[in-house]
Amino acid sequence: KAGVTQTPRYLIKTRGQQVTLSCSPISGHRSVSWYQQTPGQGLQFLFEYFSETQRNKGNFPGRFSGRQFSNSRSEMNVSTLELGDSALYLCASSLGDPSTDTQYFGPGTRLTVL
Amino acid sequence: AQSVTQPDIHITVSEGASLELRCNYSYGATPYLFWYVQSPGQGLQLLLKYFSGDTLVQGIKGFEAEFKRSQSSFNLRKPSVHWSDAAEYFCAVGAGSNDYKLSFGAGTTVTVRA
Repeated sequence: KAGVTQTPRYLIKTRGQQVTLSCSPISGHRSVSWYQQTPGQGLQFLFEYFSETQRNKGNFPGRFSGRQFSNSRSEMNVSTLELGDSALYLCASSLGDPSTDTQYFGPGTRLTVL
Repeated sequence: AQSVTQPDIHITVSEGASLELRCNYSYGATPYLFWYVQSPGQGLQLLLKYFSGDTLVQGIKGFEAEFKRSQSSFNLRKPSVHWSDAAEYFCAVGAGSNDYKLSFGAGTTVTVRA
């Protein structure tokens, strides 16, 4: 079974631009979670989707948004990029509730904002 | 809200020596507890998890963890470390109850010396 895939793996953007990251979960997994990982803040929860519905959202500004499609693939978008948005963005999928089920993580998308 | 503290930012251990990584959680009810490992340039991989039952949990790669409710701890151990165990280790707590997210500790980086 294929693992979680994230595209692109690396991105370089400039301040003020917007970016869209993509995540394809493991087949059969309907929950997709997004995390931001930085050296200073560690792993911070962004949001979680299940069957196209956002069930929980972390403490991030409205510039961060996401969505999930009917095939469970998910995208997250960051608008008006700031230098502080430079991070590794991780996507994880699970069968049901990610607070109880095993999450399977993708390799991440490394975003650099210049 | 639940939270996790990993007191040790960095641990250095000799190959073949034992390893113990500390994790303390804060949550009013019985938590779902997880240990994940992240190798350089990779996503996270589940080592083990606990919710109920035997308080000593066996995981992959020879790791085990012990849940101690009285100490709000879930420490990870390995009797004999291999060079390939060099990585960053994350403890995480989930609330269940339709919370749909994990809260991660800051992580402990393990260096293995020959």
